[in-house]
Amino acid sequence: EAGVAQSPRYKIIEKRQSVAFWCNPISGHATLYWYQQILGQGPKLLIQFQNNGVVDDSQLPKDRFSAERLKGVDSTLKIQPAKLEDSAVYLCASSLDVRRAGALTDTQYFGPGTRLTVL
Amino acid sequence: QKEVEQDPGPLSVPEGAIVSLNCTYSNSAFQYFMWYRQYSRKGPELLMYTYSSGNKEDGRFTAQVDKSSKYISLFIRDSQPSDSATYLCAINAGGTSYGKLTFGQGTILTVHP
Repeated sequence: EAGVAQSPRYKIIEKRQSVAFWCNPISGHATLYWYQQILGQGPKLLIQFQNNGVVDDSQLPKDRFSAERLKGVDSTLKIQPAKLEDSAVYLCASSLDVRRAGALTDTQYFGPGTRLTVL
Repeated sequence: QKEVEQDPGPLSVPEGAIVSLNCTYSNSAFQYFMWYRQYSRKGPELLMYTYSSGNKEDGRFTAQVDKSSKYISLFIRDSQPSDSATYLCAINAGGTSYGKLTFGQGTILTVHP
Protein backbone atom coordinates (compact mmCIF):
# COMPACT_ATOMS: atom_id res chain seq x y z
CA GLU A 1 0.00 0.00 0.00
CA ALA A 2 1.43 3.34 -1.04
CA GLY A 3 1.86 5.88 1.70
CA VAL A 4 0.99 9.56 1.86
CA ALA A 5 2.83 11.46 -0.85
CA GLN A 6 3.91 15.08 -0.53
CA SER A 7 5.71 17.47 -2.83
CA PRO A 8 7.94 19.28 -2.98
CA ARG A 9 10.18 17.85 -0.28
CA TYR A 10 12.09 21.09 0.17
CA LYS A 11 11.31 24.71 -0.67
CA ILE A 12 13.24 27.92 -0.07
CA ILE A 13 11.53 31.26 -0.66
CA GLU A 14 11.92 34.90 0.25
CA LYS A 15 9.53 36.48 2.74
CA ARG A 16 6.38 37.92 1.17
CA GLN A 17 6.50 35.34 -1.63
CA SER A 18 3.82 32.70 -2.02
CA VAL A 19 4.22 28.93 -1.88
CA ALA A 20 2.02 25.88 -2.33
CA PHE A 21 2.33 22.33 -1.04
CA TRP A 22 0.64 19.27 -2.44
CA CYS A 23 -0.55 16.12 -0.71
CA ASN A 24 -1.88 12.84 -2.07
CA PRO A 25 -3.37 10.74 0.74
CA ILE A 26 -3.57 6.98 0.97
CA SER A 27 -6.17 5.68 -1.45
CA GLY A 28 -9.61 5.45 0.13
CA HIS A 29 -8.82 7.67 3.11
CA ALA A 30 -11.62 10.15 3.75
CA THR A 31 -9.92 12.26 6.41
CA LEU A 32 -6.94 14.47 5.60
CA TYR A 33 -4.90 16.66 7.93
CA TRP A 34 -2.28 19.38 7.49
CA TYR A 35 0.15 19.94 10.35
CA GLN A 36 2.89 22.51 10.90
CA GLN A 37 5.99 21.31 12.74
CA ILE A 38 8.42 24.03 13.78
CA LEU A 39 11.93 22.87 14.63
CA GLY A 40 12.08 21.46 18.14
CA GLN A 41 8.29 21.30 18.50
CA GLY A 42 5.59 18.73 17.96
CA PRO A 43 3.22 18.95 15.00
CA LYS A 44 0.37 21.44 15.29
CA LEU A 45 -2.87 20.79 13.42
CA LEU A 46 -3.66 23.50 10.87
CA ILE A 47 -6.70 22.07 9.12
CA GLN A 48 -8.67 18.84 8.93
CA PHE A 49 -10.81 17.73 5.99
CA GLN A 50 -13.49 15.07 5.92
CA ASN A 51 -13.79 14.24 2.21
CA ASN A 52 -13.84 17.74 0.69
CA GLY A 53 -15.38 19.52 3.69
CA VAL A 54 -13.49 21.31 6.46
CA VAL A 55 -13.92 19.78 9.93
CA ASP A 56 -11.51 21.98 11.89
CA ASP A 57 -9.49 24.99 10.78
CA SER A 58 -9.38 26.79 14.11
CA GLN A 59 -5.57 27.00 14.14
CA LEU A 60 -5.12 28.01 10.49
CA PRO A 61 -3.89 31.62 10.09
CA LYS A 62 -6.55 32.46 7.57
CA ASP A 63 -5.11 35.85 6.64
CA ARG A 64 -2.22 34.11 4.87
CA PHE A 65 -2.90 30.37 4.78
CA SER A 66 -5.47 28.60 2.65
CA ALA A 67 -6.15 24.97 1.89
CA GLU A 68 -8.47 23.05 -0.33
CA ARG A 69 -9.32 19.45 -1.06
CA LEU A 70 -11.22 19.40 -4.28
CA LYS A 71 -12.91 16.09 -5.19
CA GLY A 72 -12.08 14.76 -1.73
CA VAL A 73 -8.71 13.29 -2.71
CA ASP A 74 -5.60 15.45 -3.20
CA SER A 75 -5.09 18.60 -1.19
CA THR A 76 -3.05 21.79 -1.50
CA LEU A 77 -1.93 24.14 1.23
CA LYS A 78 -0.94 27.66 0.24
CA ILE A 79 0.84 30.44 2.08
CA GLN A 80 0.59 33.98 0.71
CA PRO A 81 2.51 36.04 1.69
CA ALA A 82 5.06 34.02 3.63
CA LYS A 83 6.67 35.29 6.82
CA LEU A 84 9.94 34.26 8.43
CA GLU A 85 8.05 32.46 11.21
CA ASP A 86 6.43 30.16 8.64
CA SER A 87 9.72 28.27 8.32
CA ALA A 88 8.75 24.75 9.34
CA VAL A 89 8.01 21.27 8.08
CA TYR A 90 4.48 20.93 6.72
CA LEU A 91 3.14 17.45 7.27
CA CYS A 92 0.15 15.91 5.59
CA ALA A 93 -1.60 12.95 7.19
CA SER A 94 -4.60 10.86 6.24
CA SER A 95 -6.85 8.40 8.00
CA LEU A 96 -9.54 6.01 6.89
CA ASP A 97 -12.58 7.91 8.20
CA VAL A 98 -12.45 9.39 11.66
CA ARG A 99 -16.20 9.91 11.87
CA ARG A 100 -16.94 6.28 11.10
CA ALA A 101 -14.14 4.55 12.93
CA GLY A 102 -13.84 6.86 15.91
CA ALA A 103 -10.76 8.65 17.20
CA LEU A 104 -9.25 5.62 18.91
CA THR A 105 -8.98 3.30 15.97
CA ASP A 106 -8.60 5.77 13.11
CA THR A 107 -4.83 5.82 12.79
CA GLN A 108 -3.28 8.84 11.13
CA TYR A 109 -0.58 8.07 8.56
CA PHE A 110 1.90 10.84 7.91
CA GLY A 111 3.75 11.78 4.77
CA PRO A 112 7.45 12.73 4.81
CA GLY A 113 6.66 16.45 4.94
CA THR A 114 7.74 19.53 3.02
CA ARG A 115 10.56 21.50 4.64
CA LEU A 116 9.96 25.22 4.05
CA THR A 117 12.63 27.83 4.64
CA VAL A 118 11.61 31.48 4.43
CA LEU A 119 14.55 33.90 4.06
CA GLN B 1 0.43 26.49 30.32
CA LYS B 2 0.75 24.17 27.34
CA GLU B 3 -1.88 21.48 27.04
CA VAL B 4 0.80 18.78 26.71
CA GLU B 5 4.28 19.06 28.20
CA GLN B 6 7.11 16.76 27.23
CA ASP B 7 10.74 16.86 28.31
CA PRO B 8 12.65 17.52 25.07
CA GLY B 9 15.82 15.82 26.28
CA PRO B 10 17.99 15.06 24.44
CA LEU B 11 18.37 11.63 25.97
CA SER B 12 21.44 9.49 25.25
CA VAL B 13 21.63 5.91 26.50
CA PRO B 14 23.77 2.84 25.84
CA GLU B 15 22.37 -0.10 23.90
CA GLY B 16 20.35 -2.41 26.12
CA ALA B 17 19.26 0.30 28.56
CA ILE B 18 15.70 0.85 29.71
CA VAL B 19 14.35 4.18 28.46
CA SER B 20 11.58 6.16 30.12
CA LEU B 21 9.80 8.93 28.22
CA ASN B 22 7.15 11.06 29.85
CA CYS B 23 4.42 13.61 29.20
CA THR B 24 2.01 15.53 31.37
CA TYR B 25 -1.23 17.07 30.22
CA SER B 26 -3.62 19.62 31.65
CA ASN B 27 -7.01 18.91 30.08
CA SER B 28 -8.96 16.21 31.90
CA ALA B 29 -11.17 15.85 28.80
CA PHE B 30 -8.34 14.06 27.01
CA GLN B 31 -9.28 10.42 26.57
CA TYR B 32 -6.93 8.82 24.06
CA PHE B 33 -3.19 8.69 24.41
CA MET B 34 -0.67 7.84 21.74
CA TRP B 35 3.04 7.62 21.19
CA TYR B 36 4.55 8.39 17.81
CA ARG B 37 8.11 7.82 16.64
CA GLN B 38 9.69 10.19 14.16
CA TYR B 39 12.95 9.41 12.41
CA SER B 40 15.01 12.26 11.02
CA ARG B 41 13.42 13.83 7.92
CA LYS B 42 10.44 11.47 8.10
CA GLY B 43 6.85 11.85 9.21
CA PRO B 44 5.70 10.51 12.59
CA GLU B 45 4.50 6.91 12.77
CA LEU B 46 2.17 5.52 15.40
CA LEU B 47 3.82 3.24 17.96
CA MET B 48 1.12 2.65 20.53
CA TYR B 49 -2.20 3.98 21.72
CA THR B 50 -4.30 3.50 24.82
CA TYR B 51 -7.40 5.03 26.31
CA SER B 52 -7.47 3.84 29.87
CA SER B 53 -5.33 4.14 32.93
CA GLY B 54 -2.87 1.32 33.36
CA ASN B 55 -0.24 -0.38 31.25
CA LYS B 56 -0.26 -1.62 27.68
CA GLU B 57 2.60 -3.72 26.38
CA ASP B 58 3.76 -4.37 22.81
CA GLY B 59 7.06 -6.19 22.50
CA ARG B 60 9.79 -4.04 24.00
CA PHE B 61 7.44 -1.08 24.42
CA THR B 62 5.12 -0.37 27.35
CA ALA B 63 2.73 2.59 27.48
CA GLN B 64 1.50 3.70 30.87
CA VAL B 65 -1.33 6.13 31.61
CA ASP B 66 -2.23 7.66 34.96
CA LYS B 67 -5.33 9.78 34.42
CA SER B 68 -5.52 10.85 38.06
CA SER B 69 -2.10 12.49 37.73
CA LYS B 70 -2.52 13.41 34.05
CA TYR B 71 0.74 11.65 33.33
CA ILE B 72 1.69 9.28 30.51
CA SER B 73 4.88 7.31 29.96
CA LEU B 74 6.54 5.15 27.35
CA PHE B 75 9.12 2.59 28.43
CA ILE B 76 11.51 0.96 25.98
CA ARG B 77 13.26 -2.19 27.18
CA ASP B 78 16.51 -3.49 25.72
CA SER B 79 16.92 -0.33 23.67
CA GLN B 80 18.55 -0.66 20.25
CA PRO B 81 20.41 1.85 18.05
CA SER B 82 17.46 1.59 15.66
CA ASP B 83 15.29 3.13 18.40
CA SER B 84 17.19 6.42 17.96
CA ALA B 85 14.50 8.90 16.95
CA THR B 86 12.25 11.63 18.30
CA TYR B 87 9.36 10.30 20.39
CA LEU B 88 6.16 12.33 20.46
CA CYS B 89 3.26 11.88 22.82
CA ALA B 90 -0.10 12.80 21.33
CA ILE B 91 -3.44 13.17 23.00
CA ASN B 92 -6.99 13.32 21.69
CA ALA B 93 -10.09 14.46 23.53
CA GLY B 94 -12.36 12.13 21.59
CA GLY B 95 -16.01 12.91 21.02
CA THR B 96 -16.63 15.76 18.63
CA SER B 97 -12.93 16.63 18.45
CA TYR B 98 -12.66 13.66 16.11
CA GLY B 99 -9.09 13.19 15.00
CA LYS B 100 -7.57 16.36 16.43
CA LEU B 101 -4.31 15.42 18.10
CA THR B 102 -2.39 17.64 20.49
CA PHE B 103 1.29 16.72 20.43
CA GLY B 104 4.04 17.19 22.96
CA GLN B 105 7.24 18.79 21.72
CA GLY B 106 9.03 15.48 21.39
CA THR B 107 11.99 13.84 23.13
CA ILE B 108 15.12 13.18 21.07
CA LEU B 109 16.53 9.75 21.93
CA THR B 110 19.93 8.44 20.89
CA VAL B 111 20.90 4.83 21.64
CA HIS B 112 24.60 4.30 21.13
CA PRO B 113 26.18 0.88 20.54
